[in-house]
Amino acid sequence: GQNIDQPTEMTATEGAIVQINCTYQTSGFNGLFWYQQHAGEAPTFLSYNVLDGLEEKGRFSSFLSRSKGYSYLLLKELQMKDSASYLCAVPKPYSNDYKLSFGAGTTVTVRA
Amino acid sequence: NAGVTQTPKFRVLKTGQSMTLLCAQDMNHEYMYWYRQDPGMGLRLIHYSVGEGTTAKGEVPDGYNVSRLKKQNFLLGLESAAPSQTSVYFCASTAGRTSSGANVLTFGAGSRLTVL
Repeated sequence: GQNIDQPTEMTATEGAIVQINCTYQTSGFNGLFWYQQHAGEAPTFLSYNVLDGLEEKGRFSSFLSRSKGYSYLLLKELQMKDSASYLCAVPKPYSNDYKLSFGAGTTVTVRA
Repeated sequence: NAGVTQTPKFRVLKTGQSMTLLCAQDMNHEYMYWYRQDPGMGLRLIHYSVGEGTTAKGEVPDGYNVSRLKKQNFLLGLESAAPSQTSVYFCASTAGRTSSGANVLTFGAGSRLTVL
């Protein structure tokens, strides 16, 4: 199986920066996803990393280190609407059925 | 486009009752999935389908059945509901790998099921 670990909860102030870490173990790496899920809603796609390094997309950036089995999602200039759960996910290796395994999610609370 | 539509959104069942959750997608996606989400446990895969007429077991398939008679629909059945099946159920679909290499899942809004 695949083991995906991320912190349960994080709290930050509006305008600040928060970094959500994700560590994973998989027998064959095939990319890493981040999804955002607001309370009571569906998860929505944020980012995908398959190569090492930082991918920047507006206020959100995602970093990957394949050798360390580590990724982080960086949220800058936090806004109240960023309060949500952030899910780290990796595909099942060596398969063509595109199944994703998800971490338990990190709930980020943004305070005024 | 509606994307992925799940019905019903809410349902309360008594132990032993049966029901079917319907997932419909209008994006012509080949791959469809049913997940359940429980507090502290994240999304867990129940069953999935790689195309019309196919189904396969995921991580937690016991107590559930699925069917994919039409490409756009993926049905999840509970044969004899148990309190342990109280959860939020999400359907998702994907076309598969894109030019960027990402097989992005599109999720439905979820179906909240309570079994008493």
